[in-house]
Amino acid sequence: DAEITQSPRHKITETGRQVTLACHQTWNHNNMFWYRQDLGHGLRLIHYSYGVQDTNKGEVSDGYSVSRSNTEDLPLTLESAASSQTSVYFCASSEGRVGATGQETQYFGPGTRLLVL
Amino acid sequence: SQKIEQNSEALNIQEGKTATLTCNYTNYSPAYLQWYRQDPGRGPVFLLLIRENEKEKRKERLKVTFDTTLKQSLFHITASQPADSATYLCALVTGGGNKLTFGTGTQLKVEL
Repeated sequence: DAEITQSPRHKITETGRQVTLACHQTWNHNNMFWYRQDLGHGLRLIHYSYGVQDTNKGEVSDGYSVSRSNTEDLPLTLESAASSQTSVYFCASSEGRVGATGQETQYFGPGTRLLVL
Repeated sequence: SQKIEQNSEALNIQEGKTATLTCNYTNYSPAYLQWYRQDPGRGPVFLLLIRENEKEKRKERLKVTFDTTLKQSLFHITASQPADSATYLCALVTGGGNKLTFGTGTQLKVEL
């Protein structure tokens, strides 16, 4: 069955270190997204990609970067981790535009819990 | 400014009753609105989508309404069960249909 996976599931790091969170999907979806989820803020969009070599900034992109070299993967990099980036990170994918393809949903991974000390 | 508001307080109801969750938004004009369910330690799971020209959508025990004049969606679970206990998120479809903007979610607890 197609799926979307994230690794690691839990990560503890120190302030100032570079951290990369992996996201891999086997749906062959064009669209991939990274969110962070914090109490009181809900899910907020960090970066997204509509296809290979395409990346876009979301609502809370400062301090994060992504790259899309193939359809399956969208790794999220924290260039220099800060305590404010302690959060739960979710990756998601979708086939296309809502209403256009019949695939009307984003599929979410299980999340990565990141603690920056 | 743009806002999506869901009741931040947990909703506790008795098994068998109908749960009603509210999603209000301002300064958006979404063509679609979605509802997701999220269990602790897991990612959100899609439940229902409703279009701006649809007043109501049903799926089994779930019903969603969408009032673009009031800028409000209501999410109903009839004959609620303890297994329905979860956090429910509304999401507006933006960015030409490719992006979602989420509310903060409402936690539902169904008690025996």
